[in-house]
Amino acid sequence: ETGVTQSPTHLIKTRGQQVTLRCSSQSGHNTVSWYQQALGQGPQFIFQYYREEENGRGNFPPRFSGLQFPNYSSELNVNALELDDSALYLCASSLSLRGSGANVLTFGAGSRLTVL
Amino acid sequence: AQSVTQLDSQVPVFEEAPVELRCNYSSSVSVYLFWYVQYPNQGLQLLLKYLSGSTLVKGINGFEAEFNKSQTSFHLRKPSVHISDTAEYFCAVSPRVGYGNKLVFGAGTILRVKS
Repeated sequence: ETGVTQSPTHLIKTRGQQVTLRCSSQSGHNTVSWYQQALGQGPQFIFQYYREEENGRGNFPPRFSGLQFPNYSSELNVNALELDDSALYLCASSLSLRGSGANVLTFGAGSRLTVL
Repeated sequence: AQSVTQLDSQVPVFEEAPVELRCNYSSSVSVYLFWYVQYPNQGLQLLLKYLSGSTLVKGINGFEAEFNKSQTSFHLRKPSVHISDTAEYFCAVSPRVGYGNKLVFGAGTILRVKS
């Protein structure tokens, strides 16, 4: 079985630009979530998608948005980039029943975004 | 809301020595507990998890952790470390009901194994 793949692995943007990060879930998984990991910190939950709908969001502004497609792949979009958006963005997928907290997540290797 | 505190930012240890990485958590609801490992330039890999039952949990690569409800702790241990265990380790919690993928992570502990 394939794992979680993310693209691009590295990218550089300037302040005010927009970025789209992509994630291909592990085969058979129906839930995807995105995390932001700033340098020297633990990952922070951005949001979760289940059956193509956002069903959970962390403390991130609306300029962070996402999509989940019928094949369970996903995108993270960030508008109006700020310097503090520089981080490693991790995608994780799982097979879950709605409301269950015991899902084992499979993480991708991440996309490292640098905002200048 | 949940929060996780990893009490040591870095732990240096010699090869073949035992190690303990400490984790305390706070939560207003019942949680599941996890330890993840992150090697340089890689994503997170699950080491072990506590869902219910025995409070001593065994994971991959010889790691184990003990859940202590009264002390709200979930410390990670290994009796003999190898150079290859050098990595960053994250403790995390997830609410038992609600967003299944919403993990709350600690800031991480860097384990440095020296020869």
